[in-house]
Amino acid sequence: AQKVTQAQTEISVVEKEDVTLDCVYETRDTTYYLFWYKQPPSGELVFLIRRNSFDEQNEISGRYSWNFQKSTSSFNFTITASQVVDSAVYFCALSEGTGGYNKLIFGAGTRLAVHP
Amino acid sequence: DAGVIQSPRHEVTEMGQEVTLRCKPISGHNSLFWYRQTMMRGLELLIYFNNNVPIDDSGMPEDRFSAKMPNASFSTLKIQPSEPRDSAVYFCASSRGGSSYNEQFFGPGTRLTVL
Repeated sequence: AQKVTQAQTEISVVEKEDVTLDCVYETRDTTYYLFWYKQPPSGELVFLIRRNSFDEQNEISGRYSWNFQKSTSSFNFTITASQVVDSAVYFCALSEGTGGYNKLIFGAGTRLAVHP
Repeated sequence: DAGVIQSPRHEVTEMGQEVTLRCKPISGHNSLFWYRQTMMRGLELLIYFNNNVPIDDSGMPEDRFSAKMPNASFSTLKIQPSEPRDSAVYFCASSRGGSSYNEQFFGPGTRLTVL
């Protein structure tokens, strides 16, 4: 059965520290898509990135980077030189190719607190 | 471009009352989703529409919940009668298509409190 696990419930760091948010997924599909969303204190969910199962290249966008490893079924998210504005809940999600539509299976989320 | 619009942003009502939540998807998006977020259960998909047609309503918790999409630019989620356990944040999301790679864009949510 499909499942997304974010084992870190809460992480607390001091500004400028690097932090990695873990995401482990389970699926029987060979075609699937992984997503990260950010939910800041204001409440809305903001799309950050999509990665398909055939592309294991890491991606970097500014201070954000993502490491996708099929061998360990992981799609981890690293924030370099964290800032207070990065404080939010981050969700990892999975969409399966055989799901019929882009149904998202969400992890429980990791709450990141960045302190000045 | 405007994002997904939801109204109201906050709703406080008493048990037994009817509640209607509204959503306007992003123009050009043909897939629409309603989610519920609670501390206990996280983000749950309630219903999915494609081209205004309900495709998957398996997440709708009870008959008290109903959703409609009369046209491509408007959807409602209704709870009648409401109960305290319905208190949650309800999100509407839309996507350009219904394929598994299409990312969903979320609205700001409606925080519902049922007393």
